[in-house]
Amino acid sequence: SQKIEQNSEALNIQEGKTATLTCNYTNYSPAYLQWYRQDPGRGPVFLLLIRENEKEKRKERLKVTFDTTLKQSLFHITASQPADSATYLCALSGNTGKLIFGQGTTLQVKP
Amino acid sequence: EPEVTQTPSHQVTQMGQEVILRCVPISNHLYFYWYRQILGQKVEFLVSFYNNEISEKSEIFDDQFSVERPDGSNFTLKIRSTKLEDSAMYFCASSGTNTQYFGPGTRLTVL
Repeated sequence: SQKIEQNSEALNIQEGKTATLTCNYTNYSPAYLQWYRQDPGRGPVFLLLIRENEKEKRKERLKVTFDTTLKQSLFHITASQPADSATYLCALSGNTGKLIFGQGTTLQVKP
Repeated sequence: EPEVTQTPSHQVTQMGQEVILRCVPISNHLYFYWYRQILGQKVEFLVSFYNNEISEKSEIFDDQFSVERPDGSNFTLKIRSTKLEDSAMYFCASSGTNTQYFGPGTRLTVL
């Protein structure tokens, strides 16, 4: 069955550093890979989408890479700030729209 | 900026009772979804809806669940006879293309 693994449940970094989150998947060939942010008790908030034929996508301080050979995506937040502290979710989808989520990585940025 | 809204924010019910969770998707979106998140677990797909019919559903979405778009703006999820294990956050999402926008969620507590 399809499986998505996100690296370590928690990641602690110092303000100003780059946070790198990992998403690995198996038994799936997604058309799209998306990253969402989720704050406690709130709904997921869309951040970035990358297509299967794209290698990299950037948006302001965010960068996503997608390697369909390794079946892995890396999500980077540069110049991290305490306000970036949240849980980040990786989600895969095919052409039907259904999102399959990973368990999330909780990022804590310390001042 | 348009957003998905959900009501109520918190619903408490007795086991065996029926509940209806309501969502107002973003107005020009055509695809609608329900997801749930049991406390401490990953976000799980329940059902997708397009052109007034279910386009895909998960194994969780059994005969106790139903969805409806009763008018041009609302999208509802009904659970006919709630069980203890239905306690979770329920998120509605809508999309125009590939990006899904989530509502703030309804916390359902079944006693």
